[in-house]
Amino acid sequence: GDSVTQMEGPVTLSEEAFLTINCTYTATGYPSLFWYVQYPGEGLQLLLKATKADDKGSNKGFEATYRKETTSFHLEKGSVQVSDSAVYFCALRRNFGNEKLTFGTGTRLTIIP
Amino acid sequence: ETGVTQTPRHLVMGMTNKKSLKCEQHLGHNAMYWYKQSAKKPLELMFVYSLEERVENNSVPSRFSPECPNSSHLFLHLHTLQPEDSALYLCASSQARGAGGTDTQYFGPGTRLTVL
Repeated sequence: GDSVTQMEGPVTLSEEAFLTINCTYTATGYPSLFWYVQYPGEGLQLLLKATKADDKGSNKGFEATYRKETTSFHLEKGSVQVSDSAVYFCALRRNFGNEKLTFGTGTRLTIIP
Repeated sequence: ETGVTQTPRHLVMGMTNKKSLKCEQHLGHNAMYWYKQSAKKPLELMFVYSLEERVENNSVPSRFSPECPNSSHLFLHLHTLQPEDSALYLCASSQARGAGGTDTQYFGPGTRLTVL
């Protein structure tokens, strides 16, 4: 079945550090890939997505590139801020069949000033 | 504000109680979802409604009973829950691709449920 594997957290970085959160997936065919973010006390918000190989999703300084050859969708940001502290979820969705999203376990990110 | 609201935000109930969670979406979507978020586990999809018909039920115990009276509202009726059912319950909506819409799901803030 489909699955998403994220690097285990928690991750703690200093402000302005470079961020990478690894995500790899297993799926049939070529799924769409997503990063969602969950700020404290809130639901999940879509951060970025990519729907086909070599697509790059970007938003709020975050980027992730759909790598079919390595089945990866790593999240990166060049200079993190305290306000980026949240839990980040990688997810996939097949491009056929039902609307089901398969999520990773989430990575908690804490940015210290 | 994502256009998906959930009430209540927090709920404490005993194992013999009956309660309901409510979700409402203001985005004109035609698919709605219930997820369970437990600590240190991936989000678990519980139910999917598309065009007001239940299209997925992921082996959820019968003590959870969903209801989708129209495309804007989704309920989760709870009865005789167990302490291990304590979790954050998230609702989401999307435009089903069969209707030509995108595949992005928009989530509500969740209901934090504690079963004593």
